[in-house]
Amino acid sequence: NAGVTQTPKFQVLKTGQSMTLQCAQDMNHNSMYWYRQDPGMGLRLIYYSASEGTTDKGEVPNGYNVSRLNKREFSLRLESAAPSQTSVYFCASHRSGSGRDTGELFFGEGSRLTVL
Amino acid sequence: SQQGEEDPQALSIQEGENATMNCSYKTSINNLQWYRQNSGRGLVHLILIRSNEREKHSGRLRVTLDTSKKSSSLLITASRAADTASYFCATPFFNYGQNFVFGPGTRLSVLP
Repeated sequence: NAGVTQTPKFQVLKTGQSMTLQCAQDMNHNSMYWYRQDPGMGLRLIYYSASEGTTDKGEVPNGYNVSRLNKREFSLRLESAAPSQTSVYFCASHRSGSGRDTGELFFGEGSRLTVL
Repeated sequence: SQQGEEDPQALSIQEGENATMNCSYKTSINNLQWYRQNSGRGLVHLILIRSNEREKHSGRLRVTLDTSKKSSSLLITASRAADTASYFCATPFFNYGQNFVFGPGTRLSVLP
């Protein structure tokens, strides 16, 4: 039982390059999230998926796209990377039953992205 | 914004001392959660307190919630060097699905 798995753990890109961060969870959770973490900013939500087949923008979606491939997998794509996207990216999942749920978030270990 | 704000931003104490971190939030909630992040790792859930609870304990952790002041505190008693980490409060909200807003966190350093 791995929980939430993110790949890659580290990546260096040049400005303008594209890449996809992969995330998979094995807890049969309905909701999945992508956050970015910058010094002094806490975690900011980029995109989330409340259930398979749905995605919605979070606080900072510009420059990103997502795909909820199936219930397990939620990928984050940078189409044309910019230095401002240098950050640590975290994927998380939540069981999210019907309506409001009080359960906890489960996080991956993070993907450290540097854009030169 | 529903963002919670932790206070202080950084805290340095000696092993064996107690550490208290505070969190304020802006809107009504049905629960508040605390998470811990070790350096270079993902966040790990510590404790959840519901809006109808005033205090909750888990091992050396004690969380309080004052909904009238929209604030919560996390107390770690008899701290250890291994408690060195960043601590975040998270407030769930519902918007086309369950979402969470995190504050900037408190960086706790426990010196041996």
